[in-house]
Amino acid sequence: ETGVTQTPRHLVMGMTNKKSLKCEQHLGHNAMYWYKQSAKKPLELMFVYNFKEQTENNSVPSRFSPECPNSSHLFLHLHTLQPEDSALYLCASSRTTGGANVLTFGAGSRLTVL
Amino acid sequence: GIQVEQSPPDLILQEGANSTLRCNFSDSVNNLQWFHQNPWGQLINLFYIPSGTKQNGRLSATTVATERYSLLYISSSQTTDSGVYFCAVERKGGSNYKLTFGKGTLLTVNP
Repeated sequence: ETGVTQTPRHLVMGMTNKKSLKCEQHLGHNAMYWYKQSAKKPLELMFVYNFKEQTENNSVPSRFSPECPNSSHLFLHLHTLQPEDSALYLCASSRTTGGANVLTFGAGSRLTVL
Repeated sequence: GIQVEQSPPDLILQEGANSTLRCNFSDSVNNLQWFHQNPWGQLINLFYIPSGTKQNGRLSATTVATERYSLLYISSSQTTDSGVYFCAVERKGGSNYKLTFGKGTLLTVNP
């Protein structure tokens, strides 16, 4: 247990479904991240939130919609996804103030789009 | 953006052997981290090492920032060391929150 919890761990959805991924951190960090890990590709940064404000959107399609209600919770809302969106979605958090920006990752949510 | 290259892409060892993993990067960095991803997908931070040398048990890492590379040493490897090792960097002067990952080294340690 790293202090970053992701749910669900596995999700199968059709292309017309709407679902959400949830991430919660108990580390007192101020920044939260969504990364996408596809087979045979490096981790790709999707979104960054710092003190609830979005600071990075790495040209992510609008069918992925993030939400950060507070510094401890991060959601990724999924709508009208494509099969190529099947991947492991990783949430991370860090403290960006006063020192090294070291990321702590959750265990990931493995998404399959049929 | 900054390029991160890791080598070798795959490595197979017998238990007890030592190994060195390499990470080359194309620009000056102010943040470099090594991660281990286990077979179930969990990523664990091993080192924060933008420069210098650190050791933690059987693992150690060295970053030579002026020559733009970092090395991860694994000594007396165990089967639990299997998984993918990632290097991630943040370009100096870039966004404070944007770590770029390499493609990783897949390590298999056989008993």
